[in-house]
Amino acid sequence: GAVVSQHPSWVICKSGTSVKIECRSLDFQATTMFWYRQFPKQSLMLMATSNEGSKATYEQGVEKDKFLINHASLTLSTLTVTSAHPEDSSFYICSARESTGGNTIYFGEGSWLTVV
Amino acid sequence: GENVEQHPSTLSVQEGDSAVIKCTYSDSASNYFPWYKQELGKRPQLIIDIRSNVGEKKDQRIAVTLNKTAKHFSLHITETQPEDSAVYFCAASIDFGNEKLTFGTGTRLTIIP
Repeated sequence: GAVVSQHPSWVICKSGTSVKIECRSLDFQATTMFWYRQFPKQSLMLMATSNEGSKATYEQGVEKDKFLINHASLTLSTLTVTSAHPEDSSFYICSARESTGGNTIYFGEGSWLTVV
Repeated sequence: GENVEQHPSTLSVQEGDSAVIKCTYSDSASNYFPWYKQELGKRPQLIIDIRSNVGEKKDQRIAVTLNKTAKHFSLHITETQPEDSAVYFCAASIDFGNEKLTFGTGTRLTIIP
């Protein structure tokens, strides 16, 4: 199947700093990518829909100024957690829809963020 | 918006027996229903999906059934094996363009050897 790569897998940052997570579609173009957050033993909660060349669409309750999303190319979307706090510690995971082979959604490996 | 409910939240099954996980959805416009398996700390892996033009789909030990009238769909795993132990998520979406997936709350499946 199609491959979505996410980097970094693990990141530890100090409270108040910013951290960037990258999501790449390696063998297909994705005009839209999705960013999810998953707390331990919980489901995947959609944070925002990243649209190539335009502004992201954020879900209700997600602060767009805190979670900056940039989708500058058809294969790369980035999520920047700004002014991180310990409560932002979570598993962040992206996905992209592969529209030519069956419209299947594939996930990246996920990124564990720990804010200390 | 779409709301997906999933039951049970935990399920323990003896190895070799069958496991069934059920989901309901609210938006009648949804027509794409994938199932994902997630192991701890790893990405969700698509295991099977179904679109609303069919009522059942099977892939070896895994099958999914869909009842559009009742707005529910189910995952069936037969002849369960220890490696089937994981968290399973159902999801629903409109299979058009770049519509987002809405996930169920997940089922932790444990296969007892």
